[in-house]
Amino acid sequence: KQEVTQIPAALSVPEGENLVLNCSFTDSAIYNLQWFRQDPGKGLTSLLLIQSSQREQTSGRLNASLDKSSGRSTLYIAASQPGDSATYLCAALGAGGTSYGKLTFGQGTILTVHP
Amino acid sequence: DAGVIQSPRHEVTEMGQEVTLRCKPISGHDYLFWYRQTMMRGLELLIYFNNNVPIDDSGMPEDRFSAKMPNASFSTLKIQPSEPRDSAVYFCASINTLRGSITDTQYFGPGTRLTVL
Repeated sequence: KQEVTQIPAALSVPEGENLVLNCSFTDSAIYNLQWFRQDPGKGLTSLLLIQSSQREQTSGRLNASLDKSSGRSTLYIAASQPGDSATYLCAALGAGGTSYGKLTFGQGTILTVHP
Repeated sequence: DAGVIQSPRHEVTEMGQEVTLRCKPISGHDYLFWYRQTMMRGLELLIYFNNNVPIDDSGMPEDRFSAKMPNASFSTLKIQPSEPRDSAVYFCASINTLRGSITDTQYFGPGTRLTVL
């Protein structure tokens, strides 16, 4: 059974810092690894999707990497802003067995960027 | 596009009552997913449908939970009878695989916050 772990559970940084959020998964049989953002009381918004054959994806100040063999992904946020404050979730999309087509989520990293 | 619509946004009920949560996927989307989010267990997949047919309900916690999708634009998740441990945020998500695949990103609704007293 796929297990996804995110470290740290919470992070508080001053505005302008570059930061890294970590995600690890136990089963490398995945189609892709996805990063979502969740604001309080809201649904999830997709940030980046990295296919299993890719190494990284970039969108603006966000860069996500994937090392499938080691079961790790990182989300890098450059020049953080208060508006980046949210919970960040990573999720692995299963490619085989009982995990096929299913997203398994980590517990999330709560990010606070203070002015 | 209105996005995935869920109702109600908040529901407070008493233990033993029946609860029905509703979801309208994005028009044209052929996969629909129901998730539950709690502090203890995080976000978990409960069940998903393809073209209105349930494909995998292995995440449904107990027989008290049931889900239906009578047509392409509507799905319900019912809990009967409800218990305090069912308190959570329930999300619905959808994908259009007719222009892509199940590997594409899912579009999530805003969720229904359920509190069972």
